[in-house]
Amino acid sequence: GIQVEQSPPDLILQEGANSTLRCNFSDSVNNLQWFHQNPWGQLINLFYIPSGTKQNGRLSATTVATERYSLLYISSSQTTDSGVYFCAVELWTSGTYKYIFGTGTRLKVLA
Amino acid sequence: DAGVIQSPRHEVTEMGQEVTLRCKPISGHNSLFWYRQTMMRGLELLIYFNNNVPIDDSGMPEDRFSAKMPNASFSTLKIQPSEPRDSAVYFCASSPSYTQYFGPGTRLTVL
Repeated sequence: GIQVEQSPPDLILQEGANSTLRCNFSDSVNNLQWFHQNPWGQLINLFYIPSGTKQNGRLSATTVATERYSLLYISSSQTTDSGVYFCAVELWTSGTYKYIFGTGTRLKVLA
Repeated sequence: DAGVIQSPRHEVTEMGQEVTLRCKPISGHNSLFWYRQTMMRGLELLIYFNNNVPIDDSGMPEDRFSAKMPNASFSTLKIQPSEPRDSAVYFCASSPSYTQYFGPGTRLTVL
């Protein structure tokens, strides 16, 4: 089946630093989302981005569907950015849509 | 809107007991998803509904799990009988089209 791999698995940053998180997927997908799971467990959607680039404040994301990867950029990181970042893909296979989450990148931002 | 509502937030039960998790999606959303999150397996899709109809239940681990969506504003996930390996956080999410919005989750502990 499709593989969704995220890197790095863990990341520690000093407040104010920038970072890039990567999501690779092994097959063509219909759409892709990025989520942030905060330390309290709440999953918050950040971007719906099947292709192209989007920006929202200090966060931006780029998906290159033809090369099967997506990047999430965090600029000027803050302690509230800590948590786990997931990418999730939707693909059509075997007559139905499948939704698969990556393994996540655990981010800790230090004050 | 109050967002996706799940109940209970925490459930502790003994092996062999029946467990029912409940979800109220965001009004107007036509898709509803049930996920399970564990340390070992990450986030897994169990089942999803579109317009109250189950579309793909291939993620349901076994016959002990069942899900229903009797109307557009309510869904249940039932485990009978429960086992210790069912301990996890169960999330419900709803979607108007492509973007999924998650509830706060139900933390289930089976002793």
